[in-house]
Amino acid sequence: AQSVTQPDIHITVSEGASLELRCNYSYGATPYLFWYVQSPGQGLQLLLKYFSGDTLVQGIKGFEAEFKRSQSSFNLRKPSVHWSDAAEYFCAVGPNYGGSQGNLIFGKGTKLSVKP
Amino acid sequence: GAVVSQHPSRVICKSGTSVKIECRSLDFQATTMFWYRQFPKQSLMLMATSNEGSKATYEQGVEKDKFLINHASLTLSTLTVTSAHPEDSSFYICSAADQGGSGANVLTFGAGSRLTVL
Repeated sequence: AQSVTQPDIHITVSEGASLELRCNYSYGATPYLFWYVQSPGQGLQLLLKYFSGDTLVQGIKGFEAEFKRSQSSFNLRKPSVHWSDAAEYFCAVGPNYGGSQGNLIFGKGTKLSVKP
Repeated sequence: GAVVSQHPSRVICKSGTSVKIECRSLDFQATTMFWYRQFPKQSLMLMATSNEGSKATYEQGVEKDKFLINHASLTLSTLTVTSAHPEDSSFYICSAADQGGSGANVLTFGAGSRLTVL
């Protein structure tokens, strides 16, 4: 079955500390991979995506993620967290073919809290 | 970049009434839009795919007569929650893919609509 697992429901880090949010997926083929961020009461903003090529992808706001096929993982990282990064983060996978991506499968999200 | 606007952002209605939520692609055309539902502290669940000029495609378990979708133009899709009940209270989010440019295959999400049914 296709699924996305985000093992950590809630993570708290100190401002300035490094961050890694975990994402593992189960998918029948090589998927497209995404990380989205959602602030309270807001929609989703795309942080970064992996389609092909370099397995280390850079996104907005200083985030990066590394696709590891052997581990079926796509962990999100940031070297130094800012208080404004506090939000909910969703990992998602989608089919690797041209066309619409509506049928994304989302993880349950990881809530990030940032201590001053 | 691509922008998707959703309106209203919040709506409160009485049980038994119908509520319409609009989703607009502001600077691109979207032949396909998507509607999701998000329960508190849960992930997004795809409800349906809205196709311009044709019937929407609903995911398994979603009542098409309860959640009416109309995609009358290339920039507008509407979701109408008919005869709303408290269990329909949720956060509804739409998205669209700008398939005409370099952003193909990447969804842009609206800011969401919080529906509360009393």
